[in-house]
Amino acid sequence: AQSVAQPEDQVNVAEGNPLTVKCTYSVSGNPYLFWYVQYPNRGLQFLLKYITGDNLVKGSYGFEAEFNKSQTSFHLKKPSALVSDSALYFCAVRAGGISSGSARQLTFGSGTQLTVLP
Amino acid sequence: DGGITQSPKYLFRKEGQNVTLSCEQNLNHDAMYWYRQDPGQGLRLIYYSQIVNDFQKGDIAEGYSVSREKKESFPLTVTSAQKNPTAFYLCASSSRSGTSGIGEQFFGPGTRLTVL
Repeated sequence: AQSVAQPEDQVNVAEGNPLTVKCTYSVSGNPYLFWYVQYPNRGLQFLLKYITGDNLVKGSYGFEAEFNKSQTSFHLKKPSALVSDSALYFCAVRAGGISSGSARQLTFGSGTQLTVLP
Repeated sequence: DGGITQSPKYLFRKEGQNVTLSCEQNLNHDAMYWYRQDPGQGLRLIYYSQIVNDFQKGDIAEGYSVSREKKESFPLTVTSAQKNPTAFYLCASSSRSGTSGIGEQFFGPGTRLTVL
């Protein structure tokens, strides 16, 4: 079974400082990894994904994530946080390549609430 | 929220009633999904459909039913058998639903269901 762990329920960071939101995963075979952001009472918005290739993936709004196969991690990062980045962030994983049944579906972490302080 | 609409935004249900949540997409996506979101638990998959007239149970399908008669539409019915239906419900869709599909999922704005 595939799973995602977001070890921090809450991350606080000062505006202008770098931010990191952590994610580790477990999946059979190569992973496809995703980050989404959710603002209050809204749906999820796609930020970025890792499928293959360069371990550093760049996405929307200045976010990036680094895939580390040996540590099974996919941490979300941003060099300089903005107050408007405050939101709930979800990491998700699915099995890559040809797979069947529920392995094709995304498994989400429990989310990390990011608060950027002015 | 892309080309996915969900209605209503807020829904109140009395115990013992069935209610249907609407989800429509104009993205020409083959695959559609229903998730339930509870505080601190992330998203849990209820049902998904990879093609018209076909759907599969997700992790928490009990007490829910779906249909996929049109590519654009994937309504979810919360039945009286669902014992704790109060939650935020999210619909999503994605392209390339086949075995090699890797398209990201696009989400609707959600429906908040409250049981009175």
